[in-house]
Amino acid sequence: AQKVTQAQTEISVVEKEDVTLDCVYETRDTTYYLFWYKQPPSGELVFLIRRNSFDEQNEISGRYSWNFQKSTSSFNFTITASQVVDSAVYFCALSEAFGGSQGNLIFGKGTKLSVKP
Amino acid sequence: GAVVSQHPSRVICKSGTSVKIECRSLDFQATTMFWYRQFPKQSLMLMATSNEGSKATYEQGVEKDKFLINHASLTLSTLTVTSAHPEDSSFYICSARLVGLAGPLAYEQYFGPGTRLTVT
Repeated sequence: AQKVTQAQTEISVVEKEDVTLDCVYETRDTTYYLFWYKQPPSGELVFLIRRNSFDEQNEISGRYSWNFQKSTSSFNFTITASQVVDSAVYFCALSEAFGGSQGNLIFGKGTKLSVKP
Repeated sequence: GAVVSQHPSRVICKSGTSVKIECRSLDFQATTMFWYRQFPKQSLMLMATSNEGSKATYEQGVEKDKFLINHASLTLSTLTVTSAHPEDSSFYICSARLVGLAGPLAYEQYFGPGTRLTVT
């Protein structure tokens, strides 16, 4: 069965600290996609990244970086030098190419990040 | 590109009334639209998958007679909460998938800004 686990419910850091949000997934598909979304207090989901199962290269985008490791079924997200504007709920999600979920997004429970000045 | 709008953004209604929420893809066509519900401090839960011109597929535990979904065109899906009750108060989010794509983009969903429903 497919599942996404974000074990950290809430994280609080002080501005300029680095923070890593964990995501562990379960799937039987060999082809799948992993996503990270940011949900600020306004509620709108902001797409951050999509990664396919065949691309294990880590990615960096500004202060954001992602570490995809198939061996541990993890897709962790690191924010370097965090800022107050990074405060939001972050969701990791999985979409299987051929599995029973038919391409639907399966979301983790989210991690609420609070960055204090 | 790939903008999805929802209307209204916020609605307050009385118990027993029905509320319609619209989800539009503004600059692309979407064969498939999804409806999610999010309770406070919880994750998004898929309610139903809506395909243009056919009946929606509801997730287990979602009452299809209560949450009516219509996907009449490639750019519009509507969710009607019938006979709303306070327990239906939630944040409803729609998303849309582009038509005719293959590969990774076929699994991309573009999310609307959400509709906050409060039933009094």
